[in-house]
Amino acid sequence: QKEVEQDPGPLSVPEGAIVSLNCTYSNSAFQYFMWYRQYSRKGPELLMYTYSSGNKEDGRFTAQVDKSSKYISLFIRDSQPSDSATYLCAMSQNTGNQFYFGTGTSLTVIP
Amino acid sequence: NAGVMQNPRHLVRRRGQEARLRCSPMKGHSHVYWYRQLPEEGLKFMVYLQKENIIDESGMPKERFSAEFPKEGPSILRIQQVVRGDSAAYFCASSPNQERAFFGQGTRLTVV
Repeated sequence: QKEVEQDPGPLSVPEGAIVSLNCTYSNSAFQYFMWYRQYSRKGPELLMYTYSSGNKEDGRFTAQVDKSSKYISLFIRDSQPSDSATYLCAMSQNTGNQFYFGTGTSLTVIP
Repeated sequence: NAGVMQNPRHLVRRRGQEARLRCSPMKGHSHVYWYRQLPEEGLKFMVYLQKENIIDESGMPKERFSAEFPKEGPSILRIQQVVRGDSAAYFCASSPNQERAFFGQGTRLTVV
């Protein structure tokens, strides 16, 4: 079983739609949860960072963590064509030696 | 504050040559991680370093690959005697505290 599972998509939505991206994980020791956006042939860009359970909002982006279900989500409101990218979830343990990544979900927002 | 700087951005090597990839972490970051990404695949952990120390190299092949993060200067990922299967994007990330990582733009290695 992989440490982190993420549906690869691809996901295609019309401009203005609400997008929901999800990851599940198996290691209950994970404490830090991140979402990255990666454009083609670029490096991953940190979008959202959350510690433990709860919600965090930043502009059109909302990250949710449910540690009891080992489930994290990223919501994108009013999606724009510029949001078209691959979204990677990542997580780590307290004083862990690495960040564990999902395989990424490819998102296309159609104008 | 400049981001994580990686160079070169693109590197072409013939089979059997050495590839040397450089990474300068963000200012104030003492934790450096190297990841490898193949097309349509996620990021695979290779090695985690702090200044002058390799902390975890469990994701790095035992042969031909090595990494360092000297007291002065950038972190280096070295691949000796490259083979076609080494062609990939190599990303470096840095962190101030192991809680979140910031990535560079990567080095795309092509072995011909």
